[in-house]
Amino acid sequence: ILNVEQSPQSLHVQEGDSTNFTCSFPSSNFYALHWYRWETAKSPEALFVMTLNGDEKKKGRISATLNTKEGYSYLYIKGSQPEDSATYLCAFSSNSGYALNFGKGTSLLVTP
Amino acid sequence: DGGITQSPKYLFRKEGQNVTLSCEQNLNHDAMYWYRQDPGQGLRLIYYSQIVNDFQKGDIAEGYSVSREKKESFPLTVTSAQKNPTAFYLCASNDRGRNQPQHFGDGTRLSIL
Repeated sequence: ILNVEQSPQSLHVQEGDSTNFTCSFPSSNFYALHWYRWETAKSPEALFVMTLNGDEKKKGRISATLNTKEGYSYLYIKGSQPEDSATYLCAFSSNSGYALNFGKGTSLLVTP
Repeated sequence: DGGITQSPKYLFRKEGQNVTLSCEQNLNHDAMYWYRQDPGQGLRLIYYSQIVNDFQKGDIAEGYSVSREKKESFPLTVTSAQKNPTAFYLCASNDRGRNQPQHFGDGTRLSIL
């Protein structure tokens, strides 16, 4: 099992605040890093898949960066809204298999 | 609409009983996966299949079995050998490839009577 760590475990921000969280993963045998958003009572939804060191991806107010040499990825949310409240999961895949290894997630609560 | 359908939403198992969780997808995806979620834990991989009639064990396969007779279907059987089956089970699929995003079903919550 490849260890994927996410921090913080939970976060509570006010509407309009910008926030970010971290995903750490093994830097050896890296293949891809996935981010998913999981809202309560819904199924996880893919946000980004990144494969190259230095990759930056953006979807609306959400963006992500990737550093494969040091083994971390940041997810940023600009101007958080209550509808951003969800658990954000990152998952790592290596060169040695097709499986994704998930972190425990960061639970974000945005209050008006 | 294309998607993944898991059924049932809630399932109860008696001691010593095998139960089967259904997962069907109409996304024409080659690969399918089963995950288990326990409180305070990340998603853990039970089994996955990259192609019809082939599947591999994940990190926690003991006490579970799967089949992949059709591209659209990947049922998971929780056998009586699984001593702690109470959990939330998620099925996912994607186009074959480690850089392809996975699409998830809504999950099945299994409890012991």
